[in-house]
Amino acid sequence: ETVLTQSPATLSLSPGERATLSCRASQSVSTYLAWYQHKPGQAPRLVIYDASNRASGIPVRFSGSGSGTDFTLTISSLEPEDFAVYYCQQRGNWPLLTFGGGTKVEIK
Amino acid sequence: EVQLVESGGGLVQPGRSLRLSCATSGFIFDDYGLHWVRQAPGKGLEWVSGISWNGGSVDYVDSVKGRFTISRDRAKNSLYLQMDSLRGDDTALYYCVKGLTYSLSSWFDHWGQGTLVTVSS
Repeated sequence: ETVLTQSPATLSLSPGERATLSCRASQSVSTYLAWYQHKPGQAPRLVIYDASNRASGIPVRFSGSGSGTDFTLTISSLEPEDFAVYYCQQRGNWPLLTFGGGTKVEIK
Repeated sequence: EVQLVESGGGLVQPGRSLRLSCATSGFIFDDYGLHWVRQAPGKGLEWVSGISWNGGSVDYVDSVKGRFTISRDRAKNSLYLQMDSLRGDDTALYYCVKGLTYSLSSWFDHWGQGTLVTVSS
């Protein structure tokens, strides 16, 4: 079973600051990793797929990197609408599709 | 515009059944895999089940295997989840989700607003 571990659990930052979120897989997932943004009362939103590809409509301040077991989501300069919970997700390794536990990006 | 609208949630006793439905529109139904993802209260996201574009491939998370059945109806552009032998740990908000591609293994590019299932006596 591929377990995804996200860190930190909570990131307290101010608007304009850089956010760096980590996702570590228990075994290699190649570049089969995605990131989702989830705000309270809303549906989750795909941000990054295949480790580094921005989804449709996602601003350029969001970027993803990594391969194998270590991945990073970077938000270069936080906007007020970016404060949310972010989940990573892998596909391909059993269980077929799994999510990490999430990182909450909150306003400091 | 892609739309996914779930229905069928509610309060149900342990051991009973419930059938979730998801009406879709705004995309070519036969071209994409579809999934159910849930979020228990205060917890993270958990993929529950998925079905490929033609229904030829289905899969489930271990905790629901043998109890849940996913299906799709091209005539109605709808996705379903038959949930039997429900347990308390099935309590969650269930999202209907569209895959980015036709296959079972995919990213999720559109999500519904969810339907709440509460399993309690």
